[in-house]
Amino acid sequence: DTAVSQTPKYLVTQMGNDKSIKCEQNLGHDTMYWYKQDSKKFLKIMFSYNNKELIINETVPNRFSPKSPDKAHLNLHINSLELGDSAVYFCASGGGSSYNEQFFGPGTRLTVL
Amino acid sequence: DQQVKQNSPSLSVQEGRISILNCDYTNSMFDYFLWYKKYPAEGPTFLISISSIKDKNEDGRFTVFLNKSAKHLSLHIVPSQPGDSAVYFCAASGTGTYKYIFGTGTRLKVLA
Repeated sequence: DTAVSQTPKYLVTQMGNDKSIKCEQNLGHDTMYWYKQDSKKFLKIMFSYNNKELIINETVPNRFSPKSPDKAHLNLHINSLELGDSAVYFCASGGGSSYNEQFFGPGTRLTVL
Repeated sequence: DQQVKQNSPSLSVQEGRISILNCDYTNSMFDYFLWYKKYPAEGPTFLISISSIKDKNEDGRFTVFLNKSAKHLSLHIVPSQPGDSAVYFCAASGTGTYKYIFGTGTRLKVLA
């Protein structure tokens, strides 16, 4: 019974390609997040959606576009991939308050060649 | 500008002893703090949290201490077990921000 799932787990692609990462949660949470963990291990928030509405956008390049078809899904689409996009991307969900813990997916390791 | 810092990238402790992981923050608006544990190839999992109205929160072997004046929190694990070997992240949030700021993590190794 996976609470937050992401696909794919690994993604290797060439520079300039467009790729998507899918995320689904079955916890009934209203809020979902995308985080990026770079090579220095910083875990930084990128986006947050609450009930399909964007509430956080942390100055991420507009090549990154989150899409939330419903509150259980938050997909991440990346256009024109660059070498610096290589990282582990984590999806998370939570109650939406700053006082609720967030539940993370297993991560997607993206490698751009 | 790193608002949440974990200055020890790694820590080794003997099984049965106490592990103390430290975290410092700079933003006085933070009022909720969490610790997450992460195993390789998995996402972080929530461990324990503390609100700024408290200075201590305990859950089994895990205790988090908060010193607001020093802007410092620590996680104590007693007794440490080999299964505790993981990377530990502290995170902080402020009222109405809807987001956490994470530290860079401390890798704990508990030696059997």
